[in-house]
Amino acid sequence: AQKITQTQPGMFVQEKEAVTLDCTYDTSDPSYGLFWYKQPSSGEMIFLIYQGSYDQQNATEGRYSLNFQKARKSANLVISASQLGDSAMYFCAMSRRSGSARQLTFGSGTQLTVLP
Amino acid sequence: DTAVSQTPKYLVTQMGNDKSIKCEQNLGHDTMYWYKQDSKKFLKIMFSYNNKELIINETVPNRFSPKSPDKAHLNLHINSLELGDSAVYFCASSRETGSYGYTFGSGTRLTVV
Repeated sequence: AQKITQTQPGMFVQEKEAVTLDCTYDTSDPSYGLFWYKQPSSGEMIFLIYQGSYDQQNATEGRYSLNFQKARKSANLVISASQLGDSAMYFCAMSRRSGSARQLTFGSGTQLTVLP
Repeated sequence: DTAVSQTPKYLVTQMGNDKSIKCEQNLGHDTMYWYKQDSKKFLKIMFSYNNKELIINETVPNRFSPKSPDKAHLNLHINSLELGDSAVYFCASSRETGSYGYTFGSGTRLTVV
């Protein structure tokens, strides 16, 4: 069974500073994907970044980067130059094949607050 | 041009009622999903359909029944609503292959009173 663990229920960061949100995972599948989603207070789920288990390089998307350490089974999200609009709940998720569908298992989330 | 649209956005209803939530995607994705987000923000998969075929059916009371008339639509019917059904329900879709995860709808906040 897959499991995603986010150990930080809440995090605070000063505007313009960088912040790392932790995510560890457990799976026996050789092939999997790791995702981060942002959920602002308005409630929608916004895709941020993806890392494949076979990808050699860490994924980056603008101010977001994923620090993927396969041996440690961690996939931490790094947000550089935090902005007030980054305040939101952040979810780490892992995908696995289930027949012809890809099932996402989510962590419990980290509530990030960016301070002015 | 909303990619995954859910209606209604808010739904308040009494215990025992039957209600439906509609979902449509215009992305051409093959697979659609329903997720439930509880009061602690935990997201859990309920169902998945691929080309109108049920693929994933997690442990969900049989009062919940998904219906997929075509691969662009996946509706969720809930019979005999209970207080514990109060949650946010998200529809999502994905390609069968690739690295883009899911595209989520904006969610339906269901409140059972």
